[in-house]
Amino acid sequence: GAVVSQHPSWVICKSGTSVKIECRSLDFQATTMFWYRQFPKQSLMLMATSNEGSKATYEQGVEKDKFLINHASLTLSTLTVTSAHPEDSSFYICSARTATAEQYFGPGTRLTVT
Amino acid sequence: GESVGLHLPTLSVQEGDNSIINCAYSNSASDYFIWYKQESGKGPQFIIDIRSNMDKRQGQRVTVLLNKTVKHLSLQIAATQPGDSAVYFCAMNTGFQKLVFGTGTRLLVSP
Repeated sequence: GAVVSQHPSWVICKSGTSVKIECRSLDFQATTMFWYRQFPKQSLMLMATSNEGSKATYEQGVEKDKFLINHASLTLSTLTVTSAHPEDSSFYICSARTATAEQYFGPGTRLTVT
Repeated sequence: GESVGLHLPTLSVQEGDNSIINCAYSNSASDYFIWYKQESGKGPQFIIDIRSNMDKRQGQRVTVLLNKTVKHLSLQIAATQPGDSAVYFCAMNTGFQKLVFGTGTRLLVSP
């Protein structure tokens, strides 16, 4: 199956700093990638849809100025959590959509804000 | 609105038994359904999918059944193994390319 990677796999940062998470499709091109957030023992919540070459589409309630998304190429999307606060601590997961509409997920990034 | 629900939050089975995980959905316009397996601390792993023009699809040890009349989806795992222990999510695609996820069912397999 298609492989999606994320980097870093975990990160600890101080309150007020910014953190960038990368999502890469390793063996296919993805015009569309998605960013999800998952709290412990809960389901995945879609944050935004990332489209190559255009602005991301954010879900209701997600602050676009706080969660900056850049889909720079057909294999890379980045999520930057700006001015992070402890409540931003979560498991962030990306997925990449294939040409046949399947979505493959990355391994996730555990963010802890102290 | 779109919603996907699961009947059982936790399912406990014995190794070797067959497991059935159920999922109900409300959006009759959905045309693509997927089952994912998520192990602790990892991203969801694709298991099997089915499109709305089918009512059954089989993979290796897994079968997905779709009943569009009652908006019900199920995942059957044959000869469940301890390595199958995980949280299973159903998800459905929408007309906007997004996936809506269910709340998840934890499958516990005891030896």
